[in-house]
Parts: sequence; C-alpha cells; structure tokens
Amino acid sequence: EVQLVESGGGLVKPGGSLRLSCAGSGLTFSNAWMSWVRQAPGKGLEWVGRIKSRTDGGTTDYAAPVKGRFSISRDDSKNTLYLQMNSLETEDTAVYYCVSGGHYFDPWGQGTLVTVSS
Amino acid sequence: QSALTQPASVSGSPGQSITISCTGTSSDVGDCNCVSWYQQHPGKVPKLMIYDVSNRPSGVSNRFSGSKSGNTASLTISGLQAEDEAGYYCSSYRSSVIFGGGTRLTVL
Repeated sequence: EVQLVESGGGLVKPGGSLRLSCAGSGLTFSNAWMSWVRQAPGKGLEWVGRIKSRTDGGTTDYAAPVKGRFSISRDDSKNTLYLQMNSLETEDTAVYYCVSGGHYFDPWGQGTLVTVSS
Repeated sequence: QSALTQPASVSGSPGQSITISCTGTSSDVGDCNCVSWYQQHPGKVPKLMIYDVSNRPSGVSNRFSGSKSGNTASLTISGLQAEDEAGYYCSSYRSSVIFGGGTRLTVL
C-alpha cells in the first residue's frame, strides 16, 4: 500500500518560514513525480507545485501565487519530499497535501495544517 | 474565481444519474486529455475518481464515468447512492495544474 505522510505544519507569523516534509512508502519514490496541493479552510483545492523524477530531469514548476517564495525538493535516498515556504502570507493558511503525480494525483497524504497568523 | 468552472451544487435521488460539468478553455480542457476528477467527503482527504478524462483507477466503482466535449468535461455518477454525497473537483492542465471550484453533491 502506498503511503504518504506529511509533517512540519504549524503556526507561523506572516513573513516567516516553514519546511514541510513528506515521507513516502510502498512506491518507487525515485520514479515518481511528486506534487503539493493545498486547501484553505472551507475552500477548494489549489495546486502548489511539482517536482519531476530525476530521470525526467528533476525540474520543478510552481503556481503563480507561490513562485519565488516556495521551493520543492526531494531526497530519493530518504523517500522524502520537501516544501520550503518562505515569506509566508496569511493567504497561505491551508492544509497542505503531499500527492503522487504530475498532473493527476493519487494517492494523497493525510495533509498537514499550516496557519499563518500574527 | 477558479480557472475551471463547475456548478456549485447538484442533487439527485438514490438510483438516479447525475452529471457534473467542468468548463475550461481551448488552452486547458480543450487542449489535452488530462482532465481528472476527485471526490472529497467532509473532513477527509480527496480521492482520485477519474484520470485522463475517462479512466478509472483500480477500486473506483464503474458507476463513475468521465467524458469530454470541446472545452467541457463531465463526470457522471449513475445509480446514485447515499455514500456519493460529497464534494467533487475537476482538474486540468494549462502550463500548470488548475482545479475547478468544486461541486457539492447532495443525495436527496
């Protein structure tokens, strides 16, 4: 069974930074394109960004609202995906899901809540 | 305003069929077979129901089907069941992944 487990969420002040991690198991992590999707409280789904597998170039793409502030990376030796979030804004408050896939997503992690508030 | 347009809500009675639309543009829905659909029950994690317009992942009921015509994709649920009551989101690709605003399905 494929499992994705996020960690690192919490409360952070506007302008602050946070790094989320996602540990994968049950999949050939190094071959997987991985993404982050977020959901603000009571709102819909919003794609954050993705990272391709190393064999496909390992490049990253980001949604416009986070480009230049967020960075996605991966450590295939640890089967772990990361989301470094800098210059956080109140609008970044959301549950952040780690997902397997580049343009469709399956499976999803349980999510980790990030709250940006003073 | 979401990049893809979905009705805010739809409803149907048990046993009936319903269709949820997802309207984009010729640059996204109309340009690739990359539409996917997700089901999300309140407080739960989204679940992939359809990918690449009409493909069902293993384990998803064949009561769920997807299609596309021009710039509009559709999710049809036949033989509605109470457990189908949930939020549904479509997704496509236009230089980046985009989601619809979501549709709340009520089973009457």
